[in-house]
Amino acid sequence: DQQVKQNSPSLSVQEGRISILNCDYTNSMFDYFLWYKKYPAEGPTFLISISSIKDKNEDGRFTVFLNKSAKHLSLHIVPSQPGDSAVYFCAASVWSGGSNYKLTFGKGTLLTVNP
Amino acid sequence: DAGVIQSPRHEVTEMGQEVTLRCKPISGHNSLFWYRQTMMRGLELLIYFNNNVPIDDSGMPEDRFSAKMPNASFSTLKIQPSEPRDSAVYFCASSPSDPEEQFFGPGTRLTVL
Repeated sequence: DQQVKQNSPSLSVQEGRISILNCDYTNSMFDYFLWYKKYPAEGPTFLISISSIKDKNEDGRFTVFLNKSAKHLSLHIVPSQPGDSAVYFCAASVWSGGSNYKLTFGKGTLLTVNP
Repeated sequence: DAGVIQSPRHEVTEMGQEVTLRCKPISGHNSLFWYRQTMMRGLELLIYFNNNVPIDDSGMPEDRFSAKMPNASFSTLKIQPSEPRDSAVYFCASSPSDPEEQFFGPGTRLTVL
């Protein structure tokens, strides 16, 4: 049973345009969400997070939107750059519980930004 | 800081052999995690240590897997005996007091023939 789903295995966008990566979750207990970026032969690196008390968090070119009623979050990258080409993982945890360390990851979306 | 260090980066072994993966967390981080990444199951948490004590090992697949953290700067994940289905990339991650921001190592790609 996959509690965090990234239904698009890959996404291709043109440099300078917006990239939108989507993530759905099924566990209503999740209240903290993160995005990680992964380059080949490297480990995932933390990108941005959002708590369930917010619906938007912005950091430079990266913005994460959370729609709790739809159990959906998205990562927007504007403008997209070739260096953004990587696999993006969505992750979720139950912050308010005793197991807030436990991140449940989606399977990732490969983003390719074409020059 | 050098970040989380894992060794070896690649390991190829034969079925039935013992495999030991090593991890050095970032200095000062209290939490350490071992993950496994496969195509079928994605990135899964195997075990979590806090202050060198195993807190949650519910993700360890079976008794063939064991993990230790003898001190704050070193952890091992051992598979004995190894099987072809153990082939995967194994990541170690550490975090400071805020457990959400986990810092991952580069991973060990394990191939069991």
